[in-house]
Amino acid sequence: DTAVSQTPKYLVTQMGNDKSIKCEQNLGHDTMYWYKQDSKKFLKIMFSYNNKELIINETVPNRFSPKSPDKAHLNLHINSLELGDSAVYFCASSQAGTGSGYTFGSGTRLTVV
Amino acid sequence: SQQGEEDPQALSIQEGENATMNCSYKTSINNLQWYRQNSGRGLVHLILIRSNEREKHSGRLRVTLDTSKKSSSLLITASRAADTASYFCATEESNYQLIWGAGTKLIIKP
Repeated sequence: DTAVSQTPKYLVTQMGNDKSIKCEQNLGHDTMYWYKQDSKKFLKIMFSYNNKELIINETVPNRFSPKSPDKAHLNLHINSLELGDSAVYFCASSQAGTGSGYTFGSGTRLTVV
Repeated sequence: SQQGEEDPQALSIQEGENATMNCSYKTSINNLQWYRQNSGRGLVHLILIRSNEREKHSGRLRVTLDTSKKSSSLLITASRAADTASYFCATEESNYQLIWGAGTKLIIKP
């Protein structure tokens, strides 16, 4: 199946821990993204990355860092997790100029306790 | 990145009725996109309308775009229970960034 897949689907962890969420797309898209969706369903762009440029939303704490080993993967590392980091995190990808919009992963529900 | 506005915030209709959701935005755009999100799932791209288009259809979906009013509407005809979801509009700006609306929660009553 062609898709954006992210793991894990659920992540429960204690404050202060460091965790990673993995994302892979097999669509051949040139740009990948990480979004945070809070309890009110607001979508907030965290990062966008293609093979040329990483664009960081300046409101994202530097505890969050994207890592891209290749153009099909964009992982999200989070250091020193805080209670306020609890949310659903979505990975997405797109190909500029195709008019086909973004393809989203199914989300990772992160709960910090 | 949260500049689009959608109304209504929530909409509850009977199955078979039509549902209309609106989206307004603030800047000039390359295109406007509509997405659906079922509870607990990721967003699914429904339709994209370019800034030089005024109307677009896809199955039971009809999207209109009025760039002079900076607004768009999504019409779902003959609604079904499976259409129950949150619907988001997103505008692509000239720098290719997507600006998202806050979403409309649609409930289709059987």
